[in-house]
Amino acid sequence: DAKTTQPPSMDCAEGRAANLPCNHSTISGNEYVYWYRQIHSQGPQYIIHGLKNNETNEMASLIITEDRKSSTLILPHATLRDTAVYYCIVIAGTYKYIFGTGTRLKVLA
Amino acid sequence: EAGVAQSPRYKIIEKRQSVAFWCNPISGHATLYWYQQILGQGPKLLIQFQNNGVVDDSQLPKDRFSAERLKGVDSTLKIQPAKLEDSAVYLCASSSQDRGWRTGELFFGEGSRLTVL
Repeated sequence: DAKTTQPPSMDCAEGRAANLPCNHSTISGNEYVYWYRQIHSQGPQYIIHGLKNNETNEMASLIITEDRKSSTLILPHATLRDTAVYYCIVIAGTYKYIFGTGTRLKVLA
Repeated sequence: EAGVAQSPRYKIIEKRQSVAFWCNPISGHATLYWYQQILGQGPKLLIQFQNNGVVDDSQLPKDRFSAERLKGVDSTLKIQPAKLEDSAVYLCASSSQDRGWRTGELFFGEGSRLTVL
């Protein structure tokens, strides 16, 4: 399974864009990049996923580099409710989700 | 649509006792996962089922942990005997592999918090 590397923590001002990086330099061609977040005391929640094209939904945007070795999750206008741990995961067809330690995002008022 | 149901929400036991956690996935979801999350760490995959078959249980401490998914629906995770280091939140998740935009998306339950004294 490909592994991911994320910074342990980040701060972001409320209303500003939060850009969360993820390195997945050993990703294989058939592996997707998924992002989840975990708000305190809750189970992780799906945010977005992609293979090689950039993706956007109502929650966030996902930018994947052309070589697919890294990606960035963008929360365009962070709110206090976005304070959470964000996990970047790469998975293939067996859907074996291996969570790392994630990035603890703190949105500051 | 009902979410993933887990019980009990909280359990306190003494070391060497046994405990069982129950999970009912979202209806129609073929894949079911059990994760262990120790405070301050990311969820650790213990076992993954596809219907009633085991896909991966490489991280399940089989000397004390067991899990089953009879009839490919709900599942039980058991710990016997419990150790202090088993104190954690046990998360159940399910997913569907039907084709679609959200294929493979995990849906988590609220978790079962275990404290071993």
